Amino acid sequence: NAGVMQNPRHLVRRRGQEARLRCSPMKGHSHVYWYRQLPEEGLKFMVYLQKENIIDESGMPKERFSAEFPKEGPSILRIQQVVRGDSAAYFCASSLPSARTDTQYFGPGTRLTVL
Amino acid sequence: SQQGEEDPQALSIQEGENATMNCSYKTSINNLQWYRQNSGRGLVHLILIRSNEREKHSGRLRVTLDTSKKSSSLLITASRAADTASYFCATDGGNKLVFGAGTILRVKS
Repeated sequence: NAGVMQNPRHLVRRRGQEARLRCSPMKGHSHVYWYRQLPEEGLKFMVYLQKENIIDESGMPKERFSAEFPKEGPSILRIQQVVRGDSAAYFCASSLPSARTDTQYFGPGTRLTVL
Repeated sequence: SQQGEEDPQALSIQEGENATMNCSYKTSINNLQWYRQNSGRGLVHLILIRSNEREKHSGRLRVTLDTSKKSSSLLITASRAADTASYFCATDGGNKLVFGAGTILRVKS
């Protein structure tokens, strides 16, 4: 049973470009969460999605960031016009519908570097 | 603001010693979890303790929860070099987990 998969593992973008981060949840999990970790800090919640629905985006910056979890395919976190401050590790987690904040299973993360 | 705050921020011990990390939080919780993160890697779930539990064990790990003091501790017994990592507590915050800043543990062999 494969765990949560994220790709790419490392992503380098120049300022102003777009970054697309992908997350495939564990088999049977329909809830996906995105977190951001700045250097030397803990993880900060960004957004919580179910298939085709954004349930909670209270942690998402108001501009340039968007997320989706389509009926088919992985969840996508999209960052438009990246700036240096977007450099961070972005983690995806998934859970069973009944679990939510019981146990979330984390992917290996995507490390975004903005030059 | 962060819900969980760990202390110490960093801890350095010799292999074989015990390591204790503490976590304090601010609001009522349903459960509290501890995660480990090796340098540059993802998070590994260690243990979950519910608000009606006071202590839980898993192998060399022992977690306590004191809801009256809004605090939890993680004890790693007989530490090994492979335990070197960052350790985070996380509390349930509605639809999300709320993480502290973590304790960096270094176990010297």
